[in-house]
Amino acid sequence: GAGVSQTPSNKVTEKGKYVELRCDPISGHTALYWYRQSLGQGPEFLIYFQGTGAADDSGLPNDRFFAVRPEGSVSTLKIQRTERGDSAVYLCASSPSGSGPGELFFGEGSRLTVL
Amino acid sequence: GNSVTQMEGPVTLSEEAFLTINCTYTATGYPSLFWYVQYPGEGLQLLLKATKADDKGSNKGFEATYRKETTSFHLEKGSVQVSDSAVYFCALSEAFSGGYNKLIFGAGTRLAVHP
Repeated sequence: GAGVSQTPSNKVTEKGKYVELRCDPISGHTALYWYRQSLGQGPEFLIYFQGTGAADDSGLPNDRFFAVRPEGSVSTLKIQRTERGDSAVYLCASSPSGSGPGELFFGEGSRLTVL
Repeated sequence: GNSVTQMEGPVTLSEEAFLTINCTYTATGYPSLFWYVQYPGEGLQLLLKATKADDKGSNKGFEATYRKETTSFHLEKGSVQVSDSAVYFCALSEAFSGGYNKLIFGAGTRLAVHP
């Protein structure tokens, strides 16, 4: 079966541009997470969706970052007015309802480079 | 706040050597603890977990014991293989309720095993 799919796998953009990153979770998984992994660091939590709603967006660094999941499946992470410091790998993970602690399924990530 | 500290890599070993990757944590309450692994070209995947003190998680020959008194969760394997070459992340669950897993990750330790 298909795992978590993220597109694009690589994105190079210029400072100030707008970027969208897409996550297609495992079919039927109700929970969806976005994490950000900077070079040499572990993943940092950004936002958590349960169904269509963002249940915890406490990790979003500022109001340039926004994420949606309008139909409770695919999610899009949107970054406005990109800055060089936004360069990182953006990871998406999903899990089914009733999953146990730590049981997240991660995609391979979208590598964003802001020039 | 909660945090995870793990030993810096890279760790370079010969095949069949003994592996230890140290992990310590700071947390309020009693979090669940995890080791995730990222093989080249793949997404992070859960390797093992322990949900309470003195629990031992194990999988694929790897083991880690939840030590509350030393706030540690060191990863060990008695005899590593070339196929174990990957990046290993220690993590704790900052929240777990109704299937919500908010994970805090360490910076990761790269393991390279040579024949």
